[in-house]
Amino acid sequence: KAGVTQTPRYLIKTRGQQVTLSCSPISGHRSVSWYQQTPGQGLQFLFEYFSETQRNKGNFPGRFSGRQFSNSRSEMNVSTLELGDSALYLCASKNRENEKLFFGSGTQLSVL
Amino acid sequence: GESVGLHLPTLSVQEGDNSIINCAYSNSASDYFIWYKQESGKGPQFIIDIRSNMDKRQGQRVTVLLNKTVKHLSLQIAATQPGDSAVYFCAENYRGYGQNFVFGPGTRLSVLP
Repeated sequence: KAGVTQTPRYLIKTRGQQVTLSCSPISGHRSVSWYQQTPGQGLQFLFEYFSETQRNKGNFPGRFSGRQFSNSRSEMNVSTLELGDSALYLCASKNRENEKLFFGSGTQLSVL
Repeated sequence: GESVGLHLPTLSVQEGDNSIINCAYSNSASDYFIWYKQESGKGPQFIIDIRSNMDKRQGQRVTVLLNKTVKHLSLQIAATQPGDSAVYFCAENYRGYGQNFVFGPGTRLSVLP
């Protein structure tokens, strides 16, 4: 079974731009979560999608949004990029509630 | 976010020794815990998990201990190898905010030859 796949692997943007990141979960997994990882704040939860619906949301501004498609693939979007948005964005999928998360390799976003 | 600003603690161990990595979790209602290993340039990789109805679970060369009284989790790695060098995170299934996982700040394990 293929693991969680995230694209692109690296991204460079400038302040004020927007960006879309993509995640394909493990086949059969319907839950997709997104995390932001920075050296200063560690791993922070952004949101979780299940069956195309946002089920949980972390404490991030509205510039961060996401969606999930009928095939469970998910995208997250960040609008009006700020320097502080530079981070590794990780996607994770799981099969059922209260089960372990499987992570992708992440998208490294640099905002200049 | 829920994580606090952090300085990543480092644990240095000699190759072949046992390693113990500790983690304090925040929510007494959390009922599921996971240890992850993250190598440079990669996403976190599952190591071992434990549910709150247990206080110990063993895997291959790894053991997780759970002390619910003091909200403490530990990961023991036996006969530490160079390939074990990585950052280790504990995660709790934080029932206070639905079903999302909250991660600890991480510990960097360095294995000395």
